[in-house]
Amino acid sequence: EIVLTQSPGTLSLSPGERATLSCRASQSVRSTYLAWYQQSPDQAPRLLIYGASSRATGIPDRFSGSGSGTDFTLTISRLEPEDFAVYYCQQYGSTPLTFGGGTKVEIK
Amino acid sequence: EVQLVESGGGLVQPGGSLRLSCAASGFTLSSYSMNWVRQAPGKGLEWLSIISGGSGTIYYADSVKGRFTISTDNGKNSLFLQMNSLKAEDTSVYYCAKGLSSGGGAFDRWGQGTMVTVSS
Repeated sequence: EIVLTQSPGTLSLSPGERATLSCRASQSVRSTYLAWYQQSPDQAPRLLIYGASSRATGIPDRFSGSGSGTDFTLTISRLEPEDFAVYYCQQYGSTPLTFGGGTKVEIK
Repeated sequence: EVQLVESGGGLVQPGGSLRLSCAASGFTLSSYSMNWVRQAPGKGLEWLSIISGGSGTIYYADSVKGRFTISTDNGKNSLFLQMNSLKAEDTSVYYCAKGLSSGGGAFDRWGQGTMVTVSS
């Protein structure tokens, strides 16, 4: 099983600032089958990034993903008020599919 | 518009059973992989099971293997999760999620979730 470790656990930032979230895998993720999701309170998760760097339909270009192998990053270039939420990475290249523990981006 | 609507959650005693449904609209269920994911109160996301489109290949997480069964009804364009031998630790919001492709892929659409509480 591929274990995904996200850091930091909580990120305290102000609107307009840049957010950098990390996701590290315990073994190489096949074919960069790595996704990022955003979950706001009491809502279902929303797909942001798939294939490590491809933005999902309708996702603003302030969200970008990068990385390969075991190290992946989600960057939010300038935080908007609606971006304060919890973010999860997920690998879907091998079963069992696994999620990271999440990073909460909170308002400073 | 693609939409997923879960139903069937509720309160059940330990050892009991429950069947969750996920009604799909706006796309043909059998052409995509479909998944179940759960989230315990205040916790993170846990993938449970996938059924691929076309071949119908199925995989389960170890935590539910032998107790939960995923299935589809193409005529009703619906996904199901039969949950048996339920435990307190199965208490969660259960989501169905659509994969980007028939073989798998990231989850591009999610239902709103249905709450399952296992308690005596």
